[in-house]
Amino acid sequence: GNSVTQMEGPVTLSEEAFLTINCTYTATGYPSLFWYVQYPGEGLQLLLKATKADDKGSNKGFEATYRKETTSFHLEKGSVQVSDSAVYFCALTAGGTSYGKLTFGQGTILTVHP
Amino acid sequence: DAGVTQSPTHLIKTRGQQVTLRCSPKSGHDTVSWYQQALGQGPQFIFQYYEEEERQRGNFPDRFSGHQFPNYSSELNVNALLLGDSALYLCASSLDIGGPGDEQFFGPGTRLTVL
Repeated sequence: GNSVTQMEGPVTLSEEAFLTINCTYTATGYPSLFWYVQYPGEGLQLLLKATKADDKGSNKGFEATYRKETTSFHLEKGSVQVSDSAVYFCALTAGGTSYGKLTFGQGTILTVHP
Repeated sequence: DAGVTQSPTHLIKTRGQQVTLRCSPKSGHDTVSWYQQALGQGPQFIFQYYEEEERQRGNFPDRFSGHQFPNYSSELNVNALLLGDSALYLCASSLDIGGPGDEQFFGPGTRLTVL
């Protein structure tokens, strides 16, 4: 079946530090890949996505590149802010009978200190 | 334009009881999916509704059932509640004609506590 594995958290950084959160996946066919963010007390918001190999998704300074050869979709940001503190989820949807079903990783808690 | 709305926000039940959670999709969306998010975990897919039918289902027992109404809103019902059903229940809506890469919009969730 499909699965997503994220790096263990929590991750604690100082403001303006570089961020990487690793994500690898297992899927049949050609999945679409997503990063969702969950702020305290809120639901999930889509941060960025990529739908085919070598696509780069980007939003709010965050980036992730769909790497089919390494089955990875690592999230990066060059300079984090305190307001980026949240839980980040890597996810995928695959085609066929799994159409429209999001499979999530376990989430990575990010805390950014001033 | 209202996004996805869910009610109630919080709910406390005891073991063995039944609960109904409600979701209104984003305007123009026709597909509703439900997810269970246990504390400290990623959301787990429960089921998806389209055209008032359950289109696909995750690995959840039959105690979890749902319904979709003609206006595309949806309900999630859980019977014979167990302590392990305590979680945040998230509803997500999308447009069926979109591709698998299309965004699913999530509501704020219903926090269910089973005592």
